Amino acid sequence: SYELIQPPSVSVSPGQTASITCSGDRLGSKYVYWYQQMPGHSPVLIIYQGSKRPSGIPARFSGSNSGNTATLTISGTQAMDEADYFCQAWDSRTAIFGGGTELTVL
Amino acid sequence: QVQLQESGPGLVKPSQTLSLTCSVSGGSISSGGSYWSWIRQHPGKGLEWIGFIYYNGNTFYNPSLKSRVAISVDTSKNQFSLKVTSVTAADTAVYYCAGAPLYGGHADWFDPWGQGTLVTVSS
Repeated sequence: SYELIQPPSVSVSPGQTASITCSGDRLGSKYVYWYQQMPGHSPVLIIYQGSKRPSGIPARFSGSNSGNTATLTISGTQAMDEADYFCQAWDSRTAIFGGGTELTVL
Repeated sequence: QVQLQESGPGLVKPSQTLSLTCSVSGGSISSGGSYWSWIRQHPGKGLEWIGFIYYNGNTFYNPSLKSRVAISVDTSKNQFSLKVTSVTAADTAVYYCAGAPLYGGHADWFDPWGQGTLVTVSS
């Protein structure tokens, strides 16, 4: 079955750029979606179709996807960005989620 | 703005059936613009897609759960429901309902999400 692999944790200093990767076989040929989940809250869509931002999502969040790896980039990371981040893609009409990455803003 | 709200028992005994309902407000399930999904999150992190249903009753399930899962829709009540049979402790999770807008005839992203409801399987 198809798998999406994310690093369990990423650390970044305030104001710096955080990069969270999501790896899967030929992932670049698929749309990738990213969700942010604050502790105790539901996931929120922050990137769809690889690089598009829903209304209300700050421009510091961006996405890219090529080859076997999709990347969520947070530019000028703020303390409020500390959360879990999940990638998601579709494979054979099944939604697949990555295991999630805990972003720590030190 | 579409909002979703899960409801159902928070405690289910092993081998019994888990039943949850998602109530949709601010929009009509029958509009045909979305699939209506169930997703669960086990303690500790991972998200697992369970399946979804279209307003006309067409369903799609995660192959790993298909034998034990059924999703139904009640357009008159603007609700859709989930049943998971023969539950075990491994089914303990926060269960979310979510909309999955159609794009190009297929389900796309998951948005919005309900607040989630914790279901514990224990005797």
